[in-house]
Amino acid sequence: QSALTQPPSASGSPGQSVTISCTGTSSDVGRYNYVSWYQQHPGKAPKLMIYEVSKRPSGVPDRFSGSKSGNTASLTVSGLQAEDEADYYCSSYVGSNIHMVFGGGTKLTVL
Amino acid sequence: EVQLVESGGGLVQPGGSLRLSCTASGFTFSSYEMDWVRQAPGKGLEWVSYISGSAGTIYYSDSVKGRFTISRDNAKNSLYLQMNSLRAEDTAVYYCARDLHYHTFDHWGQGALVTVSS
Repeated sequence: QSALTQPPSASGSPGQSVTISCTGTSSDVGRYNYVSWYQQHPGKAPKLMIYEVSKRPSGVPDRFSGSKSGNTASLTVSGLQAEDEADYYCSSYVGSNIHMVFGGGTKLTVL
Repeated sequence: EVQLVESGGGLVQPGGSLRLSCTASGFTFSSYEMDWVRQAPGKGLEWVSYISGSAGTIYYSDSVKGRFTISRDNAKNSLYLQMNSLRAEDTAVYYCARDLHYHTFDHWGQGALVTVSS
């Protein structure tokens, strides 16, 4: 099972919006609504930002939103802030044989 | 407050063994599935293994199957990863993570570095 495909980098200025894509196949992202997004600052553990495509855990700002269309999921960060600069990883449930797969990660830079 | 604290990382020679532990607090440990996820230096995240709350169901990634063993002791609120026949490519930070469902990880430990080198 190949990793989900994410752009290696994305950027935006403070206050702007940026969208990060996560492309899979009809066997993972396209088949299941168990897509998650994680934020990871350097040297820190990942943090769950979005689960089940578009749900936000308690405490995650509503500037973070998720969506899915076909085999591609997306994370949108609105009103960019300096602290949003981090690596972002998507993941998807894949089923009983392979179980789950991560994307390669996207480094978000706030200009 | 949910806390997950890994221990047991270190330097080991190729072919050697190491046992990671993860101590949980702040939630009813036995009610939750748990996973191990690793991250090689400068690389992305890789799922390693899963265990159900009762330990009745266990899964491994193909890259570690037959070499790693996941287990848990609910009386001690602890998760373990026994790693045998270690290879250089197993070098990574190993995170334990609480599994909300379907491999959605809502809480992570701080990570334990495992370095496999001669």
